[in-house]
Formats: sequence, structure tokens, C-alpha cells
Amino acid sequence: QKEVEQNSGPLSVPEGAIASLNCTYSDRGSQSFFWYRQYSGKSPELIMFIYSNGDKEDGRFTAQLNKASQYVSLLIRDSQPSDSATYLCAVPRAGTALIFGKGTTLSVSS
Amino acid sequence: SAVISQKPSRDICQRGTSLTIQCQVDSQVTMMFWYRQQPGQSLTLIATANQGSEATYESGFVIDKFPISRPNLTFSTLTVSNMSPEDSSIYLCSVEDPGDRGVYGYTFGSGTRLTVV
Repeated sequence: QKEVEQNSGPLSVPEGAIASLNCTYSDRGSQSFFWYRQYSGKSPELIMFIYSNGDKEDGRFTAQLNKASQYVSLLIRDSQPSDSATYLCAVPRAGTALIFGKGTTLSVSS
Repeated sequence: SAVISQKPSRDICQRGTSLTIQCQVDSQVTMMFWYRQQPGQSLTLIATANQGSEATYESGFVIDKFPISRPNLTFSTLTVSNMSPEDSSIYLCSVEDPGDRGVYGYTFGSGTRLTVV
């Protein structure tokens, strides 16, 4: 079982819709979870960090964590064409390096 | 937030040669991480570099192919040795970053796009 799993997509949504991105992880002891956005040819940039069960909101982004189900998701409200990118879920391994999922490619059409 | 200067930003190299990638951080950090991102793929951890000790390599990566130096707490290099076209990838360094106002995350260098011909 891979440490971090994501549906690679592509996920296509119309402008203004809600995009929902999902991620599962294998280490039940994991404490913190990250969502990164990566535009083509660019480095990953941090969008959200969550460590408590429940929801965390930042602008149009909401991260949701369910540790019992080992599941973390990212919702993007009012999706914009500029949100078109690859979204990477990542979990630190034993408090050290981030381990990334395969990434989900999001395409927002205008 | 930590700022990482990574160079070169890109290079085209002949097979059989070696390339050394440098990362300089503007603050002292205990661990630095090196990743590879193959075309169309996600980031794969190559190794973790601690100052004053040997780097720890992930399964599938070996020191002879990817030697790493970590001479101090702000600098590290990754060498890609005896290159083949399969080594064509983006290589990134990263550090854990407590950030500003408690915004915690990991910061990445701008990446080195390597093409082996």
C-alpha cells in the first residue's frame, strides 16, 4: 500500500463550481497533512496545512481531515481558471521528509 | 519563511557526465531533502541530508549515483553521476519551515530541470 494515495484525475470543473480533491494515507500515526499546488514548470507551493480533525478554511480553500478514516480532502469553492494546476497531498514521514501522493490535475473551464 | 536559492535552474548534459546541484538556505536548518520529479510525475524523495552525517537514501537511490554533501546548516549539494537519459527530471531541494506567524510548511527550491542527451 502506498503511503499517500490520490486520484490522478484529470478533474474538470466549470468556473464557479466546487472542486473536491481527495487523499488517503497509510500511517495511522500521521499527525499533519499538507496540500500543495504546482503549476506546470514551477515548484510546489503550500496551500493548506491541517493537523486537527474537522475542517480548516482559508479563503476559497477548505481542508477536511478524518483521522479515523485516514482521509484528507481539499475543497476549492468558486473555482477559477487560475486554479488549474496539479494539487499534491503530502504527509511527513516520522516527522521528517514529506511524502507526496501522485497528485490530482485540476482543469477549470471558463 | 525560509528562502532557498537553487542552481542551476536548468542544464543539458551529455550522457556519462555528472552534474552538481546546489541549494543555499537563508537560515540554518537541521535537515534538507532532495526530490526528483520525472516528467508528468509527482515528487519522489531521493534522500535526507543532515549536517555532519551521511545522507539517508530512499529505496531505489544509492550514494554512488546521487552523492550528497552537507557541509553546514545552510547548504547542500546533490550530484547526479554517470548520467543517462533516464535521469532527465526536475530535481528539487526542500526544508522544513516553521514559517511566519506559525504558518508551518515545507519550502522548496525553484528546481533544476535536467535534460540528458
